Amino acid sequence: GPKVLQIPSHQIIDMGQMVTLNCDPVSNHLYFYWYKQILGQQMEFLVNFYNGKVMEKSKLFKDQFSVERPDGSYFTLKIQPTALEDSAVYFCASSLGRRSAETLYFGSGTRLTVL
Amino acid sequence: GDSVTQTEGPVTLSEGTSLTVNCSYETKQYPTLFWYVQYPGEGPQLLFKVPKANEKGSNRGFEATYNKEATSFHLQKASVQESDSAVYYCALRFYGSSGNKLIFGIGTLLSVKP
Repeated sequence: GPKVLQIPSHQIIDMGQMVTLNCDPVSNHLYFYWYKQILGQQMEFLVNFYNGKVMEKSKLFKDQFSVERPDGSYFTLKIQPTALEDSAVYFCASSLGRRSAETLYFGSGTRLTVL
Repeated sequence: GDSVTQTEGPVTLSEGTSLTVNCSYETKQYPTLFWYVQYPGEGPQLLFKVPKANEKGSNRGFEATYNKEATSFHLQKASVQESDSAVYYCALRFYGSSGNKLIFGIGTLLSVKP
């Protein structure tokens, strides 16, 4: 089936540093999403993105977070500066469209550890 | 608000026994309902989805019926296998102006013993 690739799979950084998580979505998909999952807990929506713009964001999407997809390259989540509570697995997802029946395809996640 | 409530785990079963994971939802919209499965170290992957009320979805022996009256979408399997051990998420999505995020339940960890 369609594949979403996330790079890197693991990232360890010191608190206060900047980190960029990369996502290579399914090639013809137009809608992109980030979700956050703290170990053993629920999948929580962060943000979705379409046509160069943030469509919706949750309360978890703090001011230190930003997303972009310059010129059809990677869809990125940047955190600057990072905090201890940002430690989690971040999942990228993409979908072809926004109709309710269209499937979101997820990557395998990037495990972020903030020390 | 829009939400999904499902059986809290962990659920531990023996191979060959039946499974039911309860899922109920709350929304004023007209959602598509999903079951996703997540294996260790991976992202959630679609098990199946049902876009219309009163219809049934199924895959790999798992099934669920979209019950609009009861606002439920319970996952069932008649005979589980050890390879079914995973986290199962009930989720909903509806058409709207904001790009339509997928709203997940808390997830149910299933462990199947041989």
